[in-house]
Amino acid sequence: EAGVAQSPRYKIIEKRQSVAFWCNPISGHATLYWYQQILGQGPKLLIQFQNNGVVDDSQLPKDRFSAERLKGVDSTLKIQPAKLEDSAVYLCASSLDATGISIRNTIYFGEGSWLTVV
Amino acid sequence: DQQVKQNSPSLSVQEGRISILNCDYTNSMFDYFLWYKKYPAEGPTFLISISSIKDKNEDGRFTVFLNKSAKHLSLHIVPSQPGDSAVYFCAAMTGYSSASKIIFGSGTRLSIRP
Repeated sequence: EAGVAQSPRYKIIEKRQSVAFWCNPISGHATLYWYQQILGQGPKLLIQFQNNGVVDDSQLPKDRFSAERLKGVDSTLKIQPAKLEDSAVYLCASSLDATGISIRNTIYFGEGSWLTVV
Repeated sequence: DQQVKQNSPSLSVQEGRISILNCDYTNSMFDYFLWYKKYPAEGPTFLISISSIKDKNEDGRFTVFLNKSAKHLSLHIVPSQPGDSAVYFCAAMTGYSSASKIIFGSGTRLSIRP
């Protein structure tokens, strides 16, 4: 079974530029998550989709970050304009569903997209 | 407000000995706890979990203990092996709705020395 695919793996941009990350979840997974992991910290949830609807985007800096999952499959996360503090690893994850105790440990992460803003 | 805390950023253990990683939480509504393992340049991978109705869950060399009254959980690895060197994240969840989300701690870097 193919895992969660993310691209690009690495990106270096100047502040005030824009960047976009792409994620393709595991086939059949309804729930998709974007996490931001700053060096030395744990992953922080930015946005959670259930199919193509947003479940939680309370920690997404909406003035500069946007995300979409138009067809309920793959997703893009965009940052415009980027700031120095956006330097982090952006992790995409997916799960069959967020409900039900039997699947609560089946959230799979991609390898991450490493962003450096200079 | 850090709801899940891992106060030890790093831990060094000799191969073959027991590794104990600790985690504290503040939200009494958390009812499911997970440990994830992360190697450099890879995403976190699920390791072991425990429901709040239990106080212990064991899977091979890995055991997680939960002390609800102290809001504390720990991961025991015995015996520790070189391949266990990684960053370990404690995480917690609450609820069963589609809005359930995982809250992660800041991680502990475990190094297994020969």
